[in-house]
Amino acid sequence: GQQVMQIPQYQHVQEGEDFTTYCNSSTTLSNIQWYKQRPGGHPVFLIQLVKSGEVKKQKRLTFQFGEAKKNSSLHITATQTTDVGTYFCAGWPGTYKYIFGTGTRLKVLA
Amino acid sequence: NAGVTQTPKFRILKIGQSMTLQCTQDMNHNYMYWYRQDPGMGLKLIYYSVGAGITDKGEVPNGYNVSRSTTEDFPLRLELAAPSQTSVYFCASSPRQIYAQYFGPGTRLTVT
Repeated sequence: GQQVMQIPQYQHVQEGEDFTTYCNSSTTLSNIQWYKQRPGGHPVFLIQLVKSGEVKKQKRLTFQFGEAKKNSSLHITATQTTDVGTYFCAGWPGTYKYIFGTGTRLKVLA
Repeated sequence: NAGVTQTPKFRILKIGQSMTLQCTQDMNHNYMYWYRQDPGMGLKLIYYSVGAGITDKGEVPNGYNVSRSTTEDFPLRLELAAPSQTSVYFCASSPRQIYAQYFGPGTRLTVT
């Protein structure tokens, strides 16, 4: 079946270091979304990418959609303790639902 | 504007019991979803609805039922609870099919 894999599963970084999580789909996606879930919280929408090769920035966060629309990445520059949480991608393969990745859990050490 | 609200926040069920998880949204969204999240895992879609009176199965519907009599409410019914249904349940809504989903705070359910 259709799958969306995320790597790494966990990442511990020192505050101020950069962080990247990657999302890979087994099928071409119409669009991809990114969500952040704080520990004990609920997923919160961050951004949606639609176009092949699209790059969007939100302050220290940079989101990219691959040229083939099968992969995406989220890069955080100079992490802060407020960045702690699990980052999920969710891909729309053109069916009735988004397929969520397994998430990358980020810990930031002060 | 409360967004998406869910009740209860926590619940412990015995095997074989039934319960209804409540979900209400006040954003007039047509699309509503129920997900479950097992520890350390992503979100699996249980059921979804594209409007009042219309519901359909997601990836993992077995053991659950839903109804959508109004735009605002989308309750999830668990019949004959099993330990495999121990999970965190999230309700979400969206104004359109391909759009951001707004999640409720979740219900943490334990079946023992």
